Amino acid sequence: AQSVTQPDIHITVSEGASLELRCNYSYGATPYLFWYVQSPGQGLQLLLKYFSGDTLVQGIKGFEAEFKRSQSSFNLRKPSVHWSDAAEYFCAVGASTSYDKVIFGPGTSLSVIP
Amino acid sequence: DTGVSQDPRHKITKRGQNVTFRCDPISEHNRLYWYRQTLGQGPEFLTYFQNEAQLEKSRLLSDRFSAERPKGSFSTLEIQRTEQGDSAMYLCASSLAGNSGEQYFGPGTRLTVT
Repeated sequence: AQSVTQPDIHITVSEGASLELRCNYSYGATPYLFWYVQSPGQGLQLLLKYFSGDTLVQGIKGFEAEFKRSQSSFNLRKPSVHWSDAAEYFCAVGASTSYDKVIFGPGTSLSVIP
Repeated sequence: DTGVSQDPRHKITKRGQNVTFRCDPISEHNRLYWYRQTLGQGPEFLTYFQNEAQLEKSRLLSDRFSAERPKGSFSTLEIQRTEQGDSAMYLCASSLAGNSGEQYFGPGTRLTVT
């Protein structure tokens, strides 16, 4: 069965600083990997996804993530954080089952200091 | 494409009452998912439909919960005899079969049981 851990419950960064959010997954085969963002009162929005191919994937809002199979990781990065990036970030792993079940991590809450 | 919509956005009910939530997926999406999200946690899978068929239910979905998707379009989630532990955000998502698990989420229905 798939599982996801996000070691950091809460992270605070200064505006303009770089950001890295950690994600580790457990899955026996090649996973589908996702990062979603949830702002207060909003639904989850897909930032980026990895299915296969290039292990560095680009997403919306200037985010990128790198799949490292040897470390079972899919960390999210952004070179320069904006105040509007403050939100909850969820890593998720999917399996190529008959219905593409997706398991979410517990989330990392990001605060941005002006 | 108007996105996934959910109604109501907020529901306050007294313990023991029944509640029903509605989800309208993206029109061409044949897969529909229900999740529950409690404070500080990631979404937890509840159930899944492909067209009108309910193909999997989580152990989280007790006998008091029932979901339907009668015509393969909108779906309803009913909770009977609500308990305080049912207080949570209920999220609906939809996807297109063969799209490798990429799910689009609605804004959620926040349930408070008093």
